[in-house]
Amino acid sequence: DAKTTQPTSMDCAEGRAANLPCNHSTISGNEYVYWYRQIHSQGPQYIIHGLKNNETNEMASLIITEDRKSSTLILPHATLRDTAVYYCIVSLTTSGTYKYIFGTGTRLKVLA
Amino acid sequence: GAGVSQSPSNKVTEKGKDVELRCDPISGHTALYWYRQSLGQGLEFLIYFQGNSAPDKSGLPSDRFSAERTGGSVSTLTIQRTQQEDSAVYLCASSLGTVRSYEQYFGPGTRLTVT
Repeated sequence: DAKTTQPTSMDCAEGRAANLPCNHSTISGNEYVYWYRQIHSQGPQYIIHGLKNNETNEMASLIITEDRKSSTLILPHATLRDTAVYYCIVSLTTSGTYKYIFGTGTRLKVLA
Repeated sequence: GAGVSQSPSNKVTEKGKDVELRCDPISGHTALYWYRQSLGQGLEFLIYFQGNSAPDKSGLPSDRFSAERTGGSVSTLTIQRTQQEDSAVYLCASSLGTVRSYEQYFGPGTRLTVT
């Protein structure tokens, strides 16, 4: 079972900020939150990750709540090319391995 | 530099036949993962390799599925006696190592159709 909960779908107007929420209430203290996206017919693409502090890179910002039970991915100026399925993942360790458990993600549609 | 490559990009096979799917990870990446994605679904973890350690096979759905990684680089996922429910996109990913902050880089996938 996925350890994260995300809305099934969202729409966003082109040029506006897209805010994608994720709940991970059972996250443990040393697990990271990762965000990936998957554009139709392609493999997933890494966006950003974080542990406790908010993070920003050239693609997006990641806001993690103080209790770490939820986070928000922010695409500051969404474009049509940002239409994709966005996955929020917490890293899962089993006997020292680091495999991802993907949920069904949020299907973001950016509207012209 | 070159990303993760997978071959073939598409494979159609008859039920009961064996198939082999290949993954070439990014040079220098010690960790390699296989996932599968059924139509309209999220990704399902299958197996993980890290260096010379025994692979984590906990996600393999049945004993018809196996994978190997030769020389710490190229990996082959084998499905024996394919069934229609095996139809999916099989994705390979690699990463620098097991430290949990290392992101995974995915290949384009192999679309397997079992008729």
